[in-house]
Amino acid sequence: QSALTQPPSASGSPGQSVTISCTGTSSDVGAYNYVSWYQQHPGKAPKLMIYEVTKRPSGVPDRFSGSKSGNTASLTVSGLQAEDDADYYCSSYAGSNNLGVFGGGTKLTVL
Amino acid sequence: EVQLLESGGGLVQPGGSLRLSCAASGFTFSGSAMSWVRQAPGKGLEWVSTISYGGASTYYADSVKGRFTISRDNSKNTLYLQMNSLRAEDTAVYYCTSGGSGYYPNWGQGTLVTVSS
Repeated sequence: QSALTQPPSASGSPGQSVTISCTGTSSDVGAYNYVSWYQQHPGKAPKLMIYEVTKRPSGVPDRFSGSKSGNTASLTVSGLQAEDDADYYCSSYAGSNNLGVFGGGTKLTVL
Repeated sequence: EVQLLESGGGLVQPGGSLRLSCAASGFTFSGSAMSWVRQAPGKGLEWVSTISYGGASTYYADSVKGRFTISRDNSKNTLYLQMNSLRAEDTAVYYCTSGGSGYYPNWGQGTLVTVSS
């Protein structure tokens, strides 16, 4: 049950856009359109931001968007705001014997 | 409003046991798969276990298979995680979540489990 690969850090200035990648394999990210993204502020529980690759739960700003190409999924945050400064984790369905795998997380810094 | 409230964490010696509980409200608990996800101090998220809505199917990460047991009581809207043969590497905040298969829409606040002598 290998973790998905994310860059450890990303950064951008307020108003800019930043994209975080999440690389898996043909057994998880590449096989299913069940990639989710979670935002976590220090000391808080994670919050679902994107599910099924591109869908946003109610209440999540449309500045957050998701996409996928092959074995790599991406989260794009447009119009960066100070409150976007947080850790971001991707997750994917990985088949019936391994229901969930997470990425190692990316620390997004708003400069 | 969906609420997931974990309890049962604490300090336990290596080889010991602990049972976590998660009281759910604000949604149809009996219609939802449920999961446990953990986070070791300063580390990332790790999926631990998932149980189907009726409880008939259970799934475990390799790291806990044979030691942890997930269960649920739909009459009490409560999810459980029985943890046996605990190791130092099981030290983490354990989150109760709704959903599974990589999709976790709702999270509890977490309960800290510390395995140490």
